[in-house]
Amino acid sequence: EAQVTQNPRYLITVTGKKLTVTCSQNMNHEYMSWYRQDPGLGLRQIYYSMNVEVTDKGDVPEGYKVSRKEKRNFPLILESPSPNQTSLYFCASSIQGFGSPLHFGNGTRLTVT
Amino acid sequence: AQSVAQPEDQVNVAEGNPLTVKCTYSVSGNPYLFWYVQYPNRGLQFLLKYITGDNLVKGSYGFEAEFNKSQTSFHLKKPSALVSDSALYFCAVRDTNQAGTALIFGKGTTLSVSS
Repeated sequence: EAQVTQNPRYLITVTGKKLTVTCSQNMNHEYMSWYRQDPGLGLRQIYYSMNVEVTDKGDVPEGYKVSRKEKRNFPLILESPSPNQTSLYFCASSIQGFGSPLHFGNGTRLTVT
Repeated sequence: AQSVAQPEDQVNVAEGNPLTVKCTYSVSGNPYLFWYVQYPNRGLQFLLKYITGDNLVKGSYGFEAEFNKSQTSFHLKKPSALVSDSALYFCAVRDTNQAGTALIFGKGTTLSVSS
């Protein structure tokens, strides 16, 4: 089944403790992206990657890192999480960046205390 | 800068009635426009898109949307609503004049269909 898989689905952590949210797609998509969803703000892009080894900042990149060492994986790294990063995170992929629809994972709900 | 607005936080309709979820956008060039739906505890699912061509776009689950360039709108419609259509709907836009920019999402509209 074609899908975007995120892990974990739920994560509770403390301020400053490094964490990684994994994202993997099995559709051979070039483009991958991370979004956060907050009530009243919709989805905001954190980082995106047009292809392997090419990443760029989205609208809200502060406090996050990503890497794209292989086409299928695009992990999101929070080196020192803070409470304002408590949110619902989505990974998405598409064949290419612009006119193609995005395929989303089921989300990771992160709580930072 | 590109932007998208969904003026209604919530839309309520009775089952069997037509529904409209509104979306307006602002871009400097030509837009790529999308509608996505989100069910509880799930990621967003693609419904339909407008890239070019016919202004009336048909998508999944009986939904359609009309691109209106003069009004910079891309409203989502369905002739007869189902209770199972109740969900959160997002409009999104990308400005084709600006390479590498993000797909910008609206804040979402909750559709509630009553039986």
